[in-house]
Order: sequence, then structure tokens, then C-alpha cells
Amino acid sequence: NAGVMQNPRHLVRRRGQEARLRCSPVKGHSHVYWYRQLPEEGLKFMVYLQKENIIDESGMPKERFSAEFPKEGPSILRIQQVVRGDSAAYFCASNGLAGGLQEKLFFGSGTQLSVL
Amino acid sequence: AQKITQTQPGMFVQEKEAVTLDCTYDTSDPSYGLFWYKQPSSGEMIFLIYQGSYDQQNATEGRYSLNFQKARKSANLVISASQLGDSAMYFCAMREGSGAGSYQLTFGKGTKLSVIP
Repeated sequence: NAGVMQNPRHLVRRRGQEARLRCSPVKGHSHVYWYRQLPEEGLKFMVYLQKENIIDESGMPKERFSAEFPKEGPSILRIQQVVRGDSAAYFCASNGLAGGLQEKLFFGSGTQLSVL
Repeated sequence: AQKITQTQPGMFVQEKEAVTLDCTYDTSDPSYGLFWYKQPSSGEMIFLIYQGSYDQQNATEGRYSLNFQKARKSANLVISASQLGDSAMYFCAMREGSGAGSYQLTFGKGTKLSVIP
């Protein structure tokens, strides 16, 4: 039983480049969440997706950031024209049933993005 | 206002001793859930324990227990018989049960626990 798989584990980009972060949820899970963790901070919600739908992107910056969860394949978090302030750990989480209070999120190991 | 407050940036505990990590929360929703996650130095987030707002008893999972004081809005994590492998960041999180975004988990800033041999 594979858990949430994220890759790459570490990603280094120069300012202005694009970063693509991939997430494969737990098999059978159809709800995916992306969180960002800045140094010395807790995780901050970015976006919630179901297959082919963005349900809530209220935590995502309006520009340069986008996310998708296609019918086939992993969820992708895309950051265009990265800046140094985008350096953070990006976590993907999944669960099988959103809305239940007790439904815990299963997290991946995160992608550490470093912008030079 | 902060929804989840963890006032202890860092804690030390002697191996085999018990330790309490503090968490207070703020919500006006009568229906909510509280979670604790552990983040070791390797980075992954590991679920430890859950407490629902309507649960009558404090949650326990092995060496972890949650001291839930609803009137005080606190949900402290108690780790008994600390082990060296317990050294990690610990995050308290809340999910509120109604309204938009009820699927979201809101996290505190975390407490770094160091277990001393």
C-alpha cells in the first residue's frame, strides 16, 4: 500500500524558471490538497482538488501558481517565474472522503523547493 | 486571530519521562476535530491522534493521549515514556465542521521536542 508519493524530493530553480511539483495520492483517494510550509512555520493550505476539478484555491497566490488533478496521472502544482520567496516545503495530502471531521489527511514527504 | 496556538517553540524531555505539548484553539463552530501530527527531521507528516469536539473521552493511541479541555479550548498532547525517536516537530491542527472550507486543516506553528538520553 503506497502512501502519498511526491517528487521530486528536492528541487532547485533559478529565479524566473518554472517549478513543477508532482503528487500521486494514496490509491483510491480522490481528494488532493496542497500545503506550503515556510521555515519555522506550520503548514498553510493552498488548494483542494478532486479529479479534474479545483474545489478551493483560496490559499493559493493569484499569480504564477496553478494546480491540476487530471483524470489520469498525478496532481501537479506549477509555479511559474519563481522568486526567492517561493522557497519552501510543499506538501501534498490526500483522503478518500472530504467533509468528515475525523477524516485524517495522509501526507507525502514533501518537495523542498529552493530558488537561487 | 490565530486559530491554533502552540506557545512552546521548543521543549526538552528526559528519555522515559512524560511530556505535555500545549495547544489552544479558537473556533465558534460547535463541531470540530483536533489532530496532532509529528514531523521528524526527514520531513514527512505523521498522523498521531484525533479528538472530536463531541467525544466524551480523551483520545488515546498507544503512548499518545490527548488532554482535551473543551471549556478552556485546549487540546494538549501527552507523550508517555519518551523515546529518542520522539524527537521531532509536533503540530496541532483543527478542522471546523461547518461552512465553507470545512475540509481544511489549520495548523499551529509547531513545537520542537528534543528527547535527551
